Amino acid sequence: KNQVEQSPQSLIILEGKNCTLQCNYTVSPFSNLRWYKQDTGRGPVSLTIMTFSENTKSNGRYTATLDADTKQSSLHITASQLSDSASYICVVSAVRSASKIIFGSGTRLSIRP
Amino acid sequence: EPEVTQTPSHQVTQMGQEVILRCVPISNHLYFYWYRQILGQKVEFLVSFYNNEISEKSEIFDDQFSVERPDGSNFTLKIRSTKLEDSAMYFCASSVDPPVSEAFFGQGTRLTVV
Repeated sequence: KNQVEQSPQSLIILEGKNCTLQCNYTVSPFSNLRWYKQDTGRGPVSLTIMTFSENTKSNGRYTATLDADTKQSSLHITASQLSDSASYICVVSAVRSASKIIFGSGTRLSIRP
Repeated sequence: EPEVTQTPSHQVTQMGQEVILRCVPISNHLYFYWYRQILGQKVEFLVSFYNNEISEKSEIFDDQFSVERPDGSNFTLKIRSTKLEDSAMYFCASSVDPPVSEAFFGQGTRLTVV
């Protein structure tokens, strides 16, 4: 069964600290993995997208890693800011199939001043 | 920066009524999608649309739902007879290629069925 599991479910950190969010998946055949940021009541905004051959990709203070062998990904946020408070969603796509875009439940990140 | 726009941002409707949610995808995109997110739950795929026809749909997308691209720019989702459980945030997305590329999401329409 195609699944995407994220951990932790929620996380609270102090402003300026780093954090790492985890994503495990069983989607097959794998096409790509994306991390989205979703503010409450808004649409998801793409942070990174990685295909099978990519191990790491950065977007400013966001760095995503992918281990296609273990089917794990992480999103590392450096020097967190209050505006980073949001849900971070891991999304895995199967090859050329819109219906097989599987969303994780997300990690709700809260940054405290 | 180009973006996907959705209207209205919030719609309240009575159970059994028809609603039409509207989306304007990014102009050079060819693939269009509708997703929904029930409050507190995961985002779920509803339907994908390419070349003026549905390319894929999920189990959720039953006969009460329909999509169309009436004028080459708007992409609409119609729910014929709304039910309470249709209350959710509905997101439109578009992409240049099939899901291998980045899909851009709109800000969503919050549908409340009373």
